[in-house]
Amino acid sequence: SQQGEEDPQALSIQEGENATMNCSYKTSINNLQWYRQNSGRGLVHLILIRSNEREKHSGRLRVTLDTSKKSSSLLITASRAADTASYFCATDGENFVFGPGTRLSVLP
Amino acid sequence: DAMVIQNPRYQVTQFGKPVTLSCSQTLNHNVMYWYQQKSSQAPKLLFHYYDKDFNNEADTPDNFQSRRPNTSFCFLDIRSPGLGDAAMYLCATSKVEGSGEKLFFGSGTQLSVL
Repeated sequence: SQQGEEDPQALSIQEGENATMNCSYKTSINNLQWYRQNSGRGLVHLILIRSNEREKHSGRLRVTLDTSKKSSSLLITASRAADTASYFCATDGENFVFGPGTRLSVLP
Repeated sequence: DAMVIQNPRYQVTQFGKPVTLSCSQTLNHNVMYWYQQKSSQAPKLLFHYYDKDFNNEADTPDNFQSRRPNTSFCFLDIRSPGLGDAAMYLCATSKVEGSGEKLFFGSGTQLSVL
């Protein structure tokens, strides 16, 4: 069964707005990762947050982790049309398990 | 640049006709993974190799096989493709197994079954 579940399934915003995507998971984790996938391409690693971290930044990306609620959020600030993609969270364990993803559309 | 390369980018096969997808990597990573991704769904792990050790997921159909002749190459063999096997197949690598390792993906092979 899938470990991570992203919310919302689809998100449409205007360029310059912030985009927030959420991920919930079921069991304890050591770390959580976010990946991006452009249409018809492979996934690209964005950021990893460890279970003892609460927040992490990378450029326009901000990731939070709440282990008590078993949830994480990915915030993309000042979005651009080029941010249009699907975003997946993945939790660790013996193997990576991906959630179904959030499809983000950034309209120019 | 070091990378994960999948060939071909698009593959068309006939129902029941064996097909092989290939993946190569220049990262010298120990672990290679094969994922199946259907439209608008999450990538689903089929199996992975840690060096030469093969690890099959419990729900991976027997129709799917894999070979890793050396560190750089890994193949996905579909013995008798069905219409339900049409999907994007993603190869990924990581330096080692375990928590904290990030995956490096190829661009994928889009498989169509006629």
